[in-house]
Amino acid sequence: GAVVSQHPSRVICKSGTSVKIECRSLDFQATTMFWYRQFPKKSLMLMATSNEGSKATYEQGVEKDKFLINHASLTLSTLTVTSAHPEDSSFYICSASSGGGAKDTQYFGPGTRLTVL
Amino acid sequence: AQSVTQLDSQVPVFEEAPVELRCNYSSSVSVYLFWYVQYPNQGLQLLLKYLSGSTLVKGINGFEAEFNKSQTSFHLRKPSVHISDTAEYFCAVTYTGGFKTIFGAGTRLFVKA
Repeated sequence: GAVVSQHPSRVICKSGTSVKIECRSLDFQATTMFWYRQFPKKSLMLMATSNEGSKATYEQGVEKDKFLINHASLTLSTLTVTSAHPEDSSFYICSASSGGGAKDTQYFGPGTRLTVL
Repeated sequence: AQSVTQLDSQVPVFEEAPVELRCNYSSSVSVYLFWYVQYPNQGLQLLLKYLSGSTLVKGINGFEAEFNKSQTSFHLRKPSVHISDTAEYFCAVTYTGGFKTIFGAGTRLFVKA
């Protein structure tokens, strides 16, 4: 099956620093990648949708200058949390889709646990 | 507003017993429906999906779900659960013509020996 990896799996950083999270589709080309944030005991909240070679589309309430998304190739998307603060601590999950359409399956990465001290 | 409701936040059940996890969605248009499973500290794995056709959908690990358009429901069932089925289950909806998937709040299935 389609495999999506995320790196790192866990990261702890100091307040004010930036953290980059990578999302890779290992065995297929991902036209579209999605970034989600998951709070404890809560569902996934879509942060943004990115298509290879174009700017990401952010959901309402998500600061695009704080959560920088780059989808430079068909197998790699990155999320950079800039000037991280403790309230940014969360579980970040990416997913990738070869089609990006409504019926196309999203394949999820294992997630990245971010802790900001 | 479009939404997905998972009526039970937690479902405890004994091993080998049947289980049903409920999911309702709000919609006035056609939808695609999904169930995902999430094991601790892992991403989501697709269990099954309904796109069109037969309303009874079979997925992996012995799970199945039935799409009921009149009741806007997509309940997940398994006739006999195992300890290894203990996980968080998410119902999700994508509205046709759109790209955004909306997730329910999740149901924690806890299988007891």
